[in-house]
Amino acid sequence: DARVTQTPRHKVTEMGQEVTMRCQPILGHNTVFWYRQTMMQGLELLAYFRNRAPLDDSGMPKDRFSAEMPDATLATLKIQPSEPRDSAVYFCASGLTGGNTEAFFGQGTRLTVV
Amino acid sequence: GNSVTQMEGPVTLSEEAFLTINCTYTATGYPSLFWYVQYPGEGLQLLLKATKADDKGSNKGFEATYRKETTSFHLEKGSVQVSDSAVYFCAPPFGASKIIFGSGTRLSIRP
Repeated sequence: DARVTQTPRHKVTEMGQEVTMRCQPILGHNTVFWYRQTMMQGLELLAYFRNRAPLDDSGMPKDRFSAEMPDATLATLKIQPSEPRDSAVYFCASGLTGGNTEAFFGQGTRLTVV
Repeated sequence: GNSVTQMEGPVTLSEEAFLTINCTYTATGYPSLFWYVQYPGEGLQLLLKATKADDKGSNKGFEATYRKETTSFHLEKGSVQVSDSAVYFCAPPFGASKIIFGSGTRLSIRP
């Protein structure tokens, strides 16, 4: 089965450290989304890419977060420096634009910043 | 703009109860609508979809009918099980624009 792969699954880090989360979208998918999920805010959209170009990152704190797609098989979300309020589960989703297609989600990266 | 609005949770039911989670949409015409489910510790996964007006999607005993006259896509199940405890999200297609999922509806089923 084709699936979206996220690494690491869990990450515990100290405040101030850099965190990098990785996502391998399903081969052939041209759109990638990054979401953050917390109990308080639900599932928030951070950024999304189409054909590797960033289309919208308005949901992302620009001073510390950055998202890139160095190639079609890898999307990264970086936090530098990390803060305790960044603790959440971060999901990557991929899909094809146009038509009746659904989003395919990874298992998420659970980030804890202490 | 185009959007979907779903019932706030949490919803708590006893096993074998009937379930309805409301979802309405405002759009000039979505080609399809989706329900996703998120089980504890996992990512979202597609539960069912309907690809045009009056179409019914179904899976795992859940059903939803895409009703153009009421702009609704309510999720129903006749007899819920403890294993249905999860968070449910109604959403438009993964199409030309970003998908806003929100908080979903958290469902808890009591044995």
